Amino acid sequence: DGGITQSPKYLFRKEGQNVTLSCEQNLNHDAMYWYRQDPGQGLRLIYYSQIVNDFQKGDIAEGYSVSREKKESFPLTVTSAQKNPTAFYLCASSIGEGDVYEQYFGPGTRLTVT
Amino acid sequence: GQNIDQPTEMTATEGAIVQINCTYQTSGFNGLFWYQQHAGEAPTFLSYNVLDGLEEKGRFSSFLSRSKGYSYLLLKELQMKDSASYLCAVTDSNYQLIWGAGTKLIIKP
Repeated sequence: DGGITQSPKYLFRKEGQNVTLSCEQNLNHDAMYWYRQDPGQGLRLIYYSQIVNDFQKGDIAEGYSVSREKKESFPLTVTSAQKNPTAFYLCASSIGEGDVYEQYFGPGTRLTVT
Repeated sequence: GQNIDQPTEMTATEGAIVQINCTYQTSGFNGLFWYQQHAGEAPTFLSYNVLDGLEEKGRFSSFLSRSKGYSYLLLKELQMKDSASYLCAVTDSNYQLIWGAGTKLIIKP
């Protein structure tokens, strides 16, 4: 079955530690996205990538980093510089950019930092 | 700035009809999406409108008026499993998705 996987579903970290969230897709999609979702707010774009080895900052990129070494994979690192890292993180993919395509989402990772 | 407004929460009765409204102000418009999101889960695609009018898909319909910056999602014959958040999202002139905060729909028996 084609889809997007994110792991782990729940993640707990101590303040000051970097943590990497995994996102893998086997849909052969070119574009991939990372969103953050907080209660009462819309999805906010952290980073997106249209093609391998290229990515752009979204609206709230500060304190996060990404890589896109393979088409299938788009890991997100939450660094210690992110002031409020506790949130629900969603990875998504779509066929491409420059046109309008629906986005397919992974199941999400709920990160709690204490 | 870019803005999408939806009601925060709505309540409806099983078997009834409910309309969830979405108004938007964005820099350009290349289409509007509706997604459904059950608590703690990923959003799933419901509908896409780019031209004015009504798109019907089973129990769900979505309407768009570009001149008014307005859309609604109509859910008929409500079932308990329709209890979820419904997210409105607009693609702007740069093909970026702008998301509303979502409407939490509570279905009562």
